Amino acid sequence: DSGVTQTPKHLITATGQRVTLRCSPRSGDLSVYWYQQSLDQGLQFLIQYYNGEERAKGNILERFSAQQFPDLHSELNLSSLELGDSALYFCASSLGGGGRSRPLHFGNGTRLTVT
Amino acid sequence: AQTVTQSQPEMSVQEAETVTLSCTYDTSESDYYLFWYKQPPSRQMILVIRQEAYKQQNATENRFSVNFQKAAKSFSLKISDSQLGDAAMYFCAYRFGSNFGNEKLTFGTGTRLTIIP
Repeated sequence: DSGVTQTPKHLITATGQRVTLRCSPRSGDLSVYWYQQSLDQGLQFLIQYYNGEERAKGNILERFSAQQFPDLHSELNLSSLELGDSALYFCASSLGGGGRSRPLHFGNGTRLTVT
Repeated sequence: AQTVTQSQPEMSVQEAETVTLSCTYDTSESDYYLFWYKQPPSRQMILVIRQEAYKQQNATENRFSVNFQKAAKSFSLKISDSQLGDAAMYFCAYRFGSNFGNEKLTFGTGTRLTIIP
C-alpha cells in the first residue's frame, strides 16, 4: 500500500459531462502530481501542486483543471468530456522540497470511461 | 526537453532466467535521478529501483539491478531468476536532480515483460 488514496476507482460517464477525481497524498507529502495513462500507453504528466500552489504544468488540456486544498488533498476536474479522455488517471505524491532521489508514490488510479 | 526511450515494446523470458530491459534518455543536466517502475495487471505503479546520477555504483534491490552508463545515457534493468510475479509493464523514468518542489517524472513508453513457465 503506497498510502496514496484515489477515489473513485471507476467512473463511467457520457460525453459532454464533468467529473471530479480526488486524491489524498501520503501523510506528510506536500507534492501531488496527476498523470494520465491512455490504453497501453505511457504516463503523461498533467500537473503538479506543491503545498497548495501550482508548481509545474504538463500537457493538460484547458478543459481540465486541478487544485490542492489546505489539507493537501487534490482534485482533478475534467469537463466537456470526450471519448478520447477515457484513460487511467493516476495521482502520485512526494515529500517535495527538492529532496534528493525522493520517489513518487502512486495511488491505484481512477479508471475513467467516457461513453 | 528531457526524453526517455524504451526501444523494446515487448520482451519475454523463461522462468528462472535473466532478462535485461533497455532504457536510454536525453538530458543536458548533470544532476538527475532515474527510476524503474513496474505496472502489473492490477495497474498499480510500483517502484522497483532508483539510481542517482552522481553515484557511480549501480543500484541493486534483491533480484533487480541496473547498469547505469552515464556517458552513454543508458539505464538498463536486469532481472535475475525471473519469477511469474515479475510479469508486468516496466517503465523507465527520469527526473531533475535539484528542482525545488518539482520532482515530476518523465516516463518512457514501457516494456511489457512476459514470463514463460
